[in-house]
Amino acid sequence: AIRMTQSPSSLSASTGDRVTITCRASQGISSYLAWYQQKPGKAPKLLIYAASTLQSGVPSRFSGSGSGTDFTLTISCLQSEDFATYYCQQYYSYLLFTFGPGTKVDIK
Amino acid sequence: QVQLQESGPGLVKPSETLSLTCAVSGYSISSGYYWGWIRQPPGKGLEWIGSIYHSGSTYYNPSLKSRVTISVDTSKNQFSLKLSSVTAADTAVYYCASQMATIPGWFDPWGQGTLVTVSS
Repeated sequence: AIRMTQSPSSLSASTGDRVTITCRASQGISSYLAWYQQKPGKAPKLLIYAASTLQSGVPSRFSGSGSGTDFTLTISCLQSEDFATYYCQQYYSYLLFTFGPGTKVDIK
Repeated sequence: QVQLQESGPGLVKPSETLSLTCAVSGYSISSGYYWGWIRQPPGKGLEWIGSIYHSGSTYYNPSLKSRVTISVDTSKNQFSLKLSSVTAADTAVYYCASQMATIPGWFDPWGQGTLVTVSS
């Protein structure tokens, strides 16, 4: 199975900061990558799919990039509602989906 | 819009079978797409359990395959999860989600999740 890693595992930031989260796949997955945001007690919410396509309704301060094995999620100007845990997920391995371990973004 | 809602017992005894149902509204399952189950142990990350195509074809996580059964009931517009021989390690929030794309890929939307505790 394809293993996904994320770095950092957690970070502290302030409102207005630019935040970058990295996701790495154990083998090439082309652009078959999604990003999710999860707040405590809530289900994950899809932010980005196909590595860089913003899901409808997601603010444009979120962006994704990368292909192959290395991917990034960037929040250009962190807002208070963005403090959450972020997960990447690969779907290159047909019907054997795996998630990254998550990156928690909290308030500095 | 499409909405999903999980239901089932919140407490299951060790060695018994966990059974959950996901009711779908706003879209007819029989029209297409994949439908999946994902779980999250308390304080931990997400684990894909398995997915089912609207026709009934199933795909399971190899680590759980021997214990998992996912089925679909198009007449009730719902799909179900059964996980046998549960242990405390199966305690988690269980989510159902749709994979409404031309290829089975990302999960969107998700149900709100239901906590299942395995304990005697």
